[in-house]
Amino acid sequence: AQTVTQSQPEMSVQEAETVTLSCTYDTSENNYYLFWYKQPPSRQMILVIRQEAYKQQNATENRFSVNFQKAAKSFSLKISDSQLGDTAMYFCAFMKPQSGAGSYQLTFGKGTKLSVIP
Amino acid sequence: NAGVMQNPRHLVRRRGQEARLRCSPMKGHSHVYWYRQLPEEGLKFMVYLQKENIIDESGMPKERFSAEFPKEGPSILRIQQVVRGDSAAYFCASSRDSEGRGAFFGQGTRLTVV
Repeated sequence: AQTVTQSQPEMSVQEAETVTLSCTYDTSENNYYLFWYKQPPSRQMILVIRQEAYKQQNATENRFSVNFQKAAKSFSLKISDSQLGDTAMYFCAFMKPQSGAGSYQLTFGKGTKLSVIP
Repeated sequence: NAGVMQNPRHLVRRRGQEARLRCSPMKGHSHVYWYRQLPEEGLKFMVYLQKENIIDESGMPKERFSAEFPKEGPSILRIQQVVRGDSAAYFCASSRDSEGRGAFFGQGTRLTVV
C-alpha cells in the first residue's frame, strides 16, 4: 500500500516571501502521479500542480513549482511570492498508474496548514 | 462550464436517520469518486463509480453505506442509520477518464450527526 507523509503540520510565511512544503511517499511502483491540492477555508479542494513520475523535469505552474526527487521519494512544493490568498491547507497526494487495482485512487497526506502573514 | 456540484453543503441528521449526499460531475466527466475527510485528516477514498456501475468500493464501510451513479441524474452517497462517527466532510470528485490527470473536486458536504 502507498503512504504519503507530510511532516509539517503548520507553517507560516511572510507575504511576498518563498516557502517550501515537504512531502515524502512510499511505493514500490515505478510509474505514478503526484499532486498537490490546496484547500482554503471554503473547503474546496483545488488542484495546484501535477507531476508524472516518468518525467524528470519538475512541474511548474506560475508561482508554484515542485522539487521531485524520485530516488528519495520526495515531492516538495515551493510557493514563490506568497500571497494572502495562498493561506490554506495543502495536501500532497499519490496515484498509481492506470493499470492495476486501485489505480484511480488518490492517497492523501494529512496536510500542512499554511498561513501567509501580511 | 460548471464545476463539480455537491449538495447540500451542510447536512444535520439525528442518530438513526438517513443521509443522502448528491454529486453532479463536471460536464463531460463520467468517472465519479467519493472521499471522506475526518477532522485533522486528509481525504480517504471511499468508492469509484462510472455511469450505472460501481467499479471499486473498497473504501466503503461494509454496512450502512451505499453509492450509485444512475444513467440520468447525480451520483448519490447514502448513509443509513447514521451514527456520530459518520460526522465528516464528504467530497465528490470527477474526471474525464482514469488516466491520472487528477480529479476535480466539489466543495464537499459537511455531515453533522447529533
